[in-house]
Amino acid sequence: KNEVEQSPQNLTAQEGEFITINCSYSVGISALHWLQQHPGGGIVSLFMLSSGKKKHGRLIATINIQEKHSSLHITASHPRDSAVYICAVNNNDMRFGAGTRLTVKP
Amino acid sequence: DGGITQSPKYLFRKEGQNVTLSCEQNLNHDAMYWYRQDPGQGLRLIYYSQIVNDFQKGDIAEGYSVSREKKESFPLTVTSAQKNPTAFYLCASSILTANTGELFFGEGSRLTVL
Repeated sequence: KNEVEQSPQNLTAQEGEFITINCSYSVGISALHWLQQHPGGGIVSLFMLSSGKKKHGRLIATINIQEKHSSLHITASHPRDSAVYICAVNNNDMRFGAGTRLTVKP
Repeated sequence: DGGITQSPKYLFRKEGQNVTLSCEQNLNHDAMYWYRQDPGQGLRLIYYSQIVNDFQKGDIAEGYSVSREKKESFPLTVTSAQKNPTAFYLCASSILTANTGELFFGEGSRLTVL
């Protein structure tokens, strides 16, 4: 079993929909990261969380340390949000989920 | 602007050949990493280096080699011993003293073995 599990693997949405991507992990962590991998392959960091909730524009990330679970929400989704979203946890080293491929259709 | 530069972006190799992927950073980060990405799997660590002239094996180091002669550079060689080298390779760096592990990634290199 992977230490970091993401769901769903693939997600297709219509423009404007509210989107949720989930991440569960099985190890103790010092921080959880949400990353975005754009179609060209490069990866950028969206959020780094150790507790609570963070918001940046239309993106919101939450984490529940007791339940070992995090969610990434996208409000008013747009086709430019189409990407692979990756959850990663830091526990001495980084462990990555397999990613969620999001496609937002106009 | 500061960042990480990987080259080449695409590379084709014949079986039995070694190839070297370049990774350069101007972020003044001490730590550098090489990851491999395969479809349906999370990134897996190949090698990492926390200081010049020192590096450590990651989870899947077999068939790969690295060097860290300069702080800015961490090239990865995919040797002929790597049985399944076709993959997407990502280089990353981080501030060593930050225990939250924030990584800065390059744009990646896609290697295809013909």
